[in-house]
Amino acid sequence: QQQVKQSPQSLIVQKGGISIINCAYENTAFDYFPWYQQFPGKGPALLIAIRPDVSEKKEGRFTISFNKSAKQFSLHIMDSQPGDSATYFCAASIGGGSEKLVFGKGMKLTVNP
Amino acid sequence: EAQVTQNPRYLITVTGKKLTVTCSQNMNHEYMSWYRQDPGLGLRQIYYSMNVEVTDKGDVPEGYKVSRKEKRNFPLILESPSPNQTSLYFCASSFGRQGGTGELFFGEGSRLTVL
Repeated sequence: QQQVKQSPQSLIVQKGGISIINCAYENTAFDYFPWYQQFPGKGPALLIAIRPDVSEKKEGRFTISFNKSAKQFSLHIMDSQPGDSATYFCAASIGGGSEKLVFGKGMKLTVNP
Repeated sequence: EAQVTQNPRYLITVTGKKLTVTCSQNMNHEYMSWYRQDPGLGLRQIYYSMNVEVTDKGDVPEGYKVSRKEKRNFPLILESPSPNQTSLYFCASSFGRQGGTGELFFGEGSRLTVL
């Protein structure tokens, strides 16, 4: 049973556009929600993370929105750039850390110039 | 440079031939983990280790073994590889319960093909 559902599976946007990736979770015990970014041939790397005591967190062009009642969280990439083209994974865990981090299936983002 | 190092990066082997993928981290992390990445399935946890001599199964442990004899090393062992273990494998580490931000640091991956 998949604990973190991510959508869409792929997305193509134009340079300067907004990219939105959605994730839904089932386990209400999850209390840490990171997003990881993976470039081809590389391992995933932490992009941004949120804990459920806040509804939004922004770092530069990247924003996480969190809706606890709907058990959903999303990543917004503003002013998308070709360099943002990568695979994005949402994830969730219990205990506020990285132990037994459960990942979504990933979304491949392509930003056209 | 802080990093997680995996070897080999690429390997083609045959069914039943035992192999080990090594993983080493230089960040004094307590927690280490192995994931496999398959198209359409994302990242799935194989095994993890909270500390030296402490290991536990993840979501897909069948066909794999691990050991944690030293804090920095966490090898993944395939005793009798089968074609369904053809995958991209990632080792990862973090401070775990030592504190820190919860960030998981990944190696660059090991692409394994079992014929």
